[in-house]
Amino acid sequence: NAGVMQNPRHLVRRRGQEARLRCSPMKGHSHVYWYRQLPEEGLKFMVYLQKENIIDESGMPKERFSAEFPKEGPSILRIQQVVRGDSAAYFCASSPEGLLNQPQHFGDGTRLSIL
Amino acid sequence: AQTVTQSQPEMSVQEAETVTLSCTYDTSESDYYLFWYKQPPSRQMILVIRQEAYKQQNATENRFSVNFQKAAKSFSLKISDSQLGDAAMYFCAYRAVYTGTASKLTFGTGTRLQVTL
Repeated sequence: NAGVMQNPRHLVRRRGQEARLRCSPMKGHSHVYWYRQLPEEGLKFMVYLQKENIIDESGMPKERFSAEFPKEGPSILRIQQVVRGDSAAYFCASSPEGLLNQPQHFGDGTRLSIL
Repeated sequence: AQTVTQSQPEMSVQEAETVTLSCTYDTSESDYYLFWYKQPPSRQMILVIRQEAYKQQNATENRFSVNFQKAAKSFSLKISDSQLGDAAMYFCAYRAVYTGTASKLTFGTGTRLQVTL
């Protein structure tokens, strides 16, 4: 039973480019969460999605960041016109539908480096 | 808004000894979940233990146990018989149950645990 799969594991972009981070939840999970971890800090919530719906995006920066979880395929976190401050580890987590007492299972993260 | 505070940036323990990591949180909710996650150098986020606030009994998982003090809003992690593989960053996390955005986790800033021979 595969866990949460994130790719790429490492992503290098130059300032101004776009970054696309992918997350495939665990089998049977329909809830996806994205978190960002800046160097030497804890994880900060960004966005919570269900299939084809954004449930909570209160942690997303107002500009340049967007997320989607289409009916088919992985969830995508997209960062446009990246800046040095976007350098961080981005984690995806998933959980089953409707079971709030179940913990979130995390992927191994994508480390984004901006040159 | 909920906050989680870990006041110990770094802790050290000798192999086979016991160590306690502190965590306090602030919330106006009456029902919620608390978690401890471990992040080794590989950066995986590994669930160590969880506690439901409505349960008075402290959770235990093998060498890991918690001291949950609801009135004091304290949730400490005790690691017994420490092993070299326990060396990692440990994050305390909170999740509400009945708010509209119940699912998101709020993390503390972490405690780096070193295990020495």
